[in-house]
Amino acid sequence: KQEVTQIPAALSVPEGENLVLNCSFTDSAIYNLQWFRQDPGKGLTSLLLIQSSQREQTSGRLNASLDKSSGRSTLYIAASQPGDSATYLCAVNSSGSRLTFGEGTQLTVNP
Amino acid sequence: GAGVSQSPSNKVTEKGKDVELRCDPISGHTALYWYRQSLGQGLEFLIYFQGNSAPDKSGLPSDRFSAERTGGSVSTLTIQRTQQEDSAVYLCASSADRNYGYTFGSGTRLTVV
Repeated sequence: KQEVTQIPAALSVPEGENLVLNCSFTDSAIYNLQWFRQDPGKGLTSLLLIQSSQREQTSGRLNASLDKSSGRSTLYIAASQPGDSATYLCAVNSSGSRLTFGEGTQLTVNP
Repeated sequence: GAGVSQSPSNKVTEKGKDVELRCDPISGHTALYWYRQSLGQGLEFLIYFQGNSAPDKSGLPSDRFSAERTGGSVSTLTIQRTQQEDSAVYLCASSADRNYGYTFGSGTRLTVV
């Protein structure tokens, strides 16, 4: 059974800082890994999708890496802004049917 | 449509009543998930549909919960005899193929009073 863990559970940083969110998973037999953002009371917005054959994906100030053999992914946010404040969720798409989510990292960027 | 559409966006119901939640996936998407998220909690898997295959119902918490997907498109999640612990946001997601990732709807916030 796939298990996904995200560290830290919460993070508070001043505006402008670069930061890293961590995601680990127990079963390396994955199709891909997807990072989402969730604002309070809202649904999930997809940020980046990394296929199992890829090492990283970039979109603007966001960069996600994947090390499948060690069961880890990181989401790097450069030059953080108050608008980046949200909960960030990592989801692993494994062999079989289930998309498994971590518990999320709640990010607060202070002006 | 351009995205995954869920209705209603909010639903308040009395304990013991039945409710139906609807999900319209992106046209052509063969895979569809239902999740629920209780206040301050993570996402809990409920059920997964993939094309014409038998759905994975292993996440449904009790036999009060059921879901169907008609014609491989619209899905309905039904909760019978609602309980207060059913209060949560119910999220639907769809995908064209596992290689393309999943798109989520905005969810239905269910409150059982």
